[in-house]
Amino acid sequence: GAVVSQHPSWVICKSGTSVKIECRSLDFQATTMFWYRQFPKQSLMLMATSNEGSKATYEQGVEKDKFLINHASLTLSTLTVTSAHPEDSSFYICSAETDWWEQYFGPGTRLTVT
Amino acid sequence: SQQGEEDPQALSIQEGENATMNCSYKTSINNLQWYRQNSGRGLVHLILIRSNEREKHSGRLRVTLDTSKKSSSLLITASRAADTASYFCATVKTQGGSEKLVFGKGTKLTVNP
Repeated sequence: GAVVSQHPSWVICKSGTSVKIECRSLDFQATTMFWYRQFPKQSLMLMATSNEGSKATYEQGVEKDKFLINHASLTLSTLTVTSAHPEDSSFYICSAETDWWEQYFGPGTRLTVT
Repeated sequence: SQQGEEDPQALSIQEGENATMNCSYKTSINNLQWYRQNSGRGLVHLILIRSNEREKHSGRLRVTLDTSKKSSSLLITASRAADTASYFCATVKTQGGSEKLVFGKGTKLTVNP
């Protein structure tokens, strides 16, 4: 089946630094990838839609200058949390969409900002 | 308000019992999907049911869809401790020409051995 990986699986960083999270579709090409954030005991909230070769589309309330998304190839999208603060601590999940419109999710990245 | 609202929020049952989770949504849909999330892990797609389908089976899972009531249910039969997870329904929302999944709050299922 379609497999999506994320790296790193967890990261701890200091306030003010930037962190990059990678999302890869391992055995299929994904024109579209999605980035979600999940706070403890809450549902997933879509942050942005990442389209290969074009700018990402951000959901209302998500700062595009803070959460930089790059979808440089059909198998890789990256999310960079710039100038991270403790309130950015969360579980970040990406998903990749297949040609037959199914989303496969990565295992998630736990970000802790101290 | 959010598309896709599950109930109950939490469900605790004994191994071997059946677990039923419900999802309601507000706008018309093309399909509805159910996902499972183990604690601290990513989502696993369980099943997709299209708007013209009323029931779908996959192993011990049975999903029903009632478009007139805008609701869906997920039934897990003969539950196992390994079924302990959060379960989310998701619908597609079209906005600005693009489609995206919108998730409900989820049902936390605990299956006690």
